[in-house]
Parts: sequence; structure tokens; C-alpha cells
Amino acid sequence: RKEVEQDPGPFNVPEGATVAFNCTYSNSASQSFFWYRQDCRKEPKLLMSVYSSGNEDGRFTAQLNRASQYISLLIRDSKLSDSATYLCAVTPLGGYNKLIFGAGTRLAVHP
Amino acid sequence: GAVVSQHPSWVICKSGTSVKIECRSLDFQATTMFWYRQFPKQSLMLMATSNEGSKATYEQGVEKDKFLINHASLTLSTLTVTSAHPEDSSFYICRVLYGGTEAFFGQGTRLTVV
Repeated sequence: RKEVEQDPGPFNVPEGATVAFNCTYSNSASQSFFWYRQDCRKEPKLLMSVYSSGNEDGRFTAQLNRASQYISLLIRDSKLSDSATYLCAVTPLGGYNKLIFGAGTRLAVHP
Repeated sequence: GAVVSQHPSWVICKSGTSVKIECRSLDFQATTMFWYRQFPKQSLMLMATSNEGSKATYEQGVEKDKFLINHASLTLSTLTVTSAHPEDSSFYICRVLYGGTEAFFGQGTRLTVV
């Protein structure tokens, strides 16, 4: 079983739609959780950290469920510019800031 | 501006040759750098953790003799793909730890072996 798993998509949604991505991780002792955005095989860019209490940044909301070992990302009012691959990433216990990535979920927002 | 510089951004080489990829931290010292590889439509896979002044720690399944990592200074780590073959064609990217908690990615290197 992969350490971090994501639905690869693609998710094809119209502008203005709300879309949600889920990501599961296998190591219950994982420490830190993140969502990254990656465009066209460029370097990933940190979108947001994920906390159990949930956190929101504009149209983006992230949530961590430790009991079920999954993290989620909700994008509201999708824009064309949101089209990208969204990667979840996990730092394992004792991982010293190592990041283990999921394979990514592709999002395509169309007019 | 960029705090990490990775070079080259892309390279095409012949099968059997070696390719060196550089990752530099700009304006800060980095004791730890991570090297990742990403095949098309796949995840970024951690290859190794590079620590300044010591041997790199390789992830399971990564051949240390094929992927040579040198972190001889606090601002530079290099990854050398030795005797490259077409199956080594991939996107290689470094990630540099800053201050123990923050990290920055390089721009990545697209390697094509023909």
C-alpha cells in the first residue's frame, strides 16, 4: 500500500464549481500535512498546511481527519487558473522534514 | 526572487553518459537537501536526503552508485546520474531545508536520455 494515496482524476469542472479532493495516508504517526499545487511539471508550490481544526485561505479549505487518516481540500468558486495538479504531502514521524507526496489529482476547470 | 537555484532546467544526453544536476541555496546555508524524481503522471518520489559533510541517505530501491549525491558545501548539493539510460528520463527536483522548518523547491530538471 502506498504511504499517501490520491484519486488521480482528472476532475473536469466548470468555472464556479466547488470541487473536493481527498487524500489518505497509511502511517498513523504522520506529523505534518500539506497541500501543494503543481503546474506542468514545474516545482510544487505550497498551497496550505493542514490542521485538525481545519484551515481556510480564501476559496480554499483544508481539513485533517486523524482518526480516518485522510486530508481534504475544498475549492470553491473554481477559476480557470485553478487548473493544475494538486498534491497532498505528509511528513512521517521522525521524518526530519521529509515530505512524502501523493501522486496528485489533476483538476481541469473549463469555461 | 528564487531562494533555490537548480541547474540545468533541462538536459538531453546520450545513453551511457553521466549528467550532473546542481542545487544551490541562495543567501542561506542549507545543511539538508532532498532529491526527488517524478515520472510523468506520477508522484514526486523521494530519492535521498543529502546532508552537508556526510554521506547521503538513500531511500529504499534507489541505487546509490547510480545516483551520486555530493553535498560538499552548505549552499550546494549535486546529483549525478551515472551511465544514464532512457528509463532514467524523468523530472528531478531538489528541496532545500531552511532554518529547520521551512523548505524551498528548486525549479526542477527535465532529463531526457536518448
